[in-house]
Amino acid sequence: GQNIDQPTEMTATEGAIVQINCTYQTSGFNGLFWYQQHAGEAPTFLSYNVLDGLEEKGRFSSFLSRSKGYSYLLLKELQMKDSASYLCAVPYSSASKIIFGSGTRLSIRP
Amino acid sequence: EAQVTQNPRYLITVTGKKLTVTCSQNMNHEYMSWYRQDPGLGLRQIYYSMNVEVTDKGDVPEGYKVSRKEKRNFPLILESPSPNQTSLYFCASSPSGGATEAFFGQGTRLTVV
Repeated sequence: GQNIDQPTEMTATEGAIVQINCTYQTSGFNGLFWYQQHAGEAPTFLSYNVLDGLEEKGRFSSFLSRSKGYSYLLLKELQMKDSASYLCAVPYSSASKIIFGSGTRLSIRP
Repeated sequence: EAQVTQNPRYLITVTGKKLTVTCSQNMNHEYMSWYRQDPGLGLRQIYYSMNVEVTDKGDVPEGYKVSRKEKRNFPLILESPSPNQTSLYFCASSPSGGATEAFFGQGTRLTVV
């Protein structure tokens, strides 16, 4: 079956760096998504990895290792507005279906 | 403005009273999907549609129906709502298939009493 694991909660300090991990098990692989969701709002797209390695986009980077079934989202120079839930998602079944992790709630302290 | 629009945003209803949550996108996306979000469980896919007249079950389809008669609209129908369907619902669209970026609607908070 399909499964995604990510930590439930994390806390970090403003200005610091935080890494949010995601491990997955799916039949077939069609890439991995990261979404950001502020409380009470809809998820918004952050990144999509389909090949191994690190992809950088401003303060956010996402890493993928297909052989290990592992990804992480790296957030640098943390700001208070980065307090949100971060959702890892993987398409499966020939990319017709999508499974989401339960999300990691990140709290930023001053 | 490119967007996915869901209505209503909030709904309180009684057990057994049929309801429809509408979803419309203006980006000409082929793929649309419905999710429910519950504390500790994350987003779970209810139904999805690869294109007009093509719909299929996600992980939690029981108690829900959908239709895709036009590309832009993908309504979610609860024929006989029950309290365990109390949840936050999101509609999303993607250009083509589940391996493309999803754009989410604002969400519908449904309470069934």
